[in-house]
Amino acid sequence: DSGVTQTPKHLITATGQRVTLRCSPRSGDLSVYWYQQSLDQGLQFLIQYYNGEERAKGNILERFSAQQFPDLHSELNLSSLELGDSALYFCASSVLPGQGGRDTGELFFGEGSRLTVL
Amino acid sequence: KNQVEQSPQSLIILEGKNCTLQCNYTVSPFSNLRWYKQDTGRGPVSLTIMTFSENTKSNGRYTATLDADTKQSSLHITASQLSDSASYICVVSARTGKLIFGQGTTLQVKP
Repeated sequence: DSGVTQTPKHLITATGQRVTLRCSPRSGDLSVYWYQQSLDQGLQFLIQYYNGEERAKGNILERFSAQQFPDLHSELNLSSLELGDSALYFCASSVLPGQGGRDTGELFFGEGSRLTVL
Repeated sequence: KNQVEQSPQSLIILEGKNCTLQCNYTVSPFSNLRWYKQDTGRGPVSLTIMTFSENTKSNGRYTATLDADTKQSSLHITASQLSDSASYICVVSARTGKLIFGQGTTLQVKP
């Protein structure tokens, strides 16, 4: 158990809909990262937050948004869903800020949220 | 361009045999290199993290090596077990803090 909690574990929805994925980082970790992994693909970095502020942005679509709340949990919002958005979405946390010349430290991944868009 | 290339893409071995996975990178400036194990449908789990001054690091039957001069790393698995069947991901951290992921090597261990 990594200590990172993601909900829901599975989600099935229709095209055009909107969903919210939730991540609770390990106790004491201030950084939260979101990754997308499509079938048989590598992990694609979406976005990172550190202590409530956006720290780095990857290949995140405009239809996707995220935020980190004062209690440090994070939510990833996916809207106007398309078939191609079907994937595993992973959250990872670390204690260090990463980016801007600072190391990320060890990353701890959650078990992921599997999104199926029909 | 910062890149991490892993080979082979996939590998099948018999239980009890050893195998070696490769990772070549062009990330600069380099900070550290990580190997993760990802079971199917699960989150990646860290195996090792090595800085440029570390040549070898072991975690049980897993031994990672790093040659910072040639920008190559390998992950050696000894006496493989069925539970070693997974994807192994090489991740290089740049000194900027950016993480660059390889595409992974899928290992299947057969009885």
